[in-house]
Amino acid sequence: SAVISQKPSRDICQRGTSLTIQCQVDSQVTMMFWYRQQPGQSLTLIATANQGSEATYESGFVIDKFPISRPNLTFSTLTVSNMSPEDSSIYLCSVGTDGYTFGSGTRLTVV
Amino acid sequence: AQSVSQHNHHVILSEAASLELGCNYSYGGTVNLFWYVQYPGQHLQLLLKYFSGDPLVKGIKGFEAEFIKSKFSFNLRKPSVQWSDTAEYFCAVVPARSFQKLVFGTGTRLLVSP
Repeated sequence: SAVISQKPSRDICQRGTSLTIQCQVDSQVTMMFWYRQQPGQSLTLIATANQGSEATYESGFVIDKFPISRPNLTFSTLTVSNMSPEDSSIYLCSVGTDGYTFGSGTRLTVV
Repeated sequence: AQSVSQHNHHVILSEAASLELGCNYSYGGTVNLFWYVQYPGQHLQLLLKYFSGDPLVKGIKGFEAEFIKSKFSFNLRKPSVQWSDTAEYFCAVVPARSFQKLVFGTGTRLLVSP
């Protein structure tokens, strides 16, 4: 299975600022997924990121708030923009290879 | 679109008790099924997966799950739980061979008392 390095592992941010989360995969993958896990809840898909094309966002998520980059087949970033306390969550990236590996997550707290 | 239901939101067991967590999915075609575990303060880990073949799947840490196609179910079992099994458990489904997004159930929070 692919191995994903995700960083930062956690951060505390001021409201109104932005945070960029990075995921590096040890092999080339076509699709990468970004999920959000709000406190006490299950995982919700934010968007699917394919290399060389615009990310596809799920209902309720927009590019202005969660811009995604996918410059190559092993790397992607998710930015949480203009943050508010409601954005406090764990953000995870995932790749759709055998077993759907997940990154270790970024625990974001917005104050 | 596929969906997943986990009927038990909270389960409390004593050590050595047997565990069965329910998972039912809704999808008309062939699926791949997964169970993930999230220990307190830790990230998501894959417990086991079903792609095809033997419907009884064995995973890590003594867990197993049985895929019953006629019931659209993929229940997770463990014959004897330990205090260290305290965690949240998520069932997930994806159409087979599609590499589409995983759809997760709402999760079951398991507390094992020593």
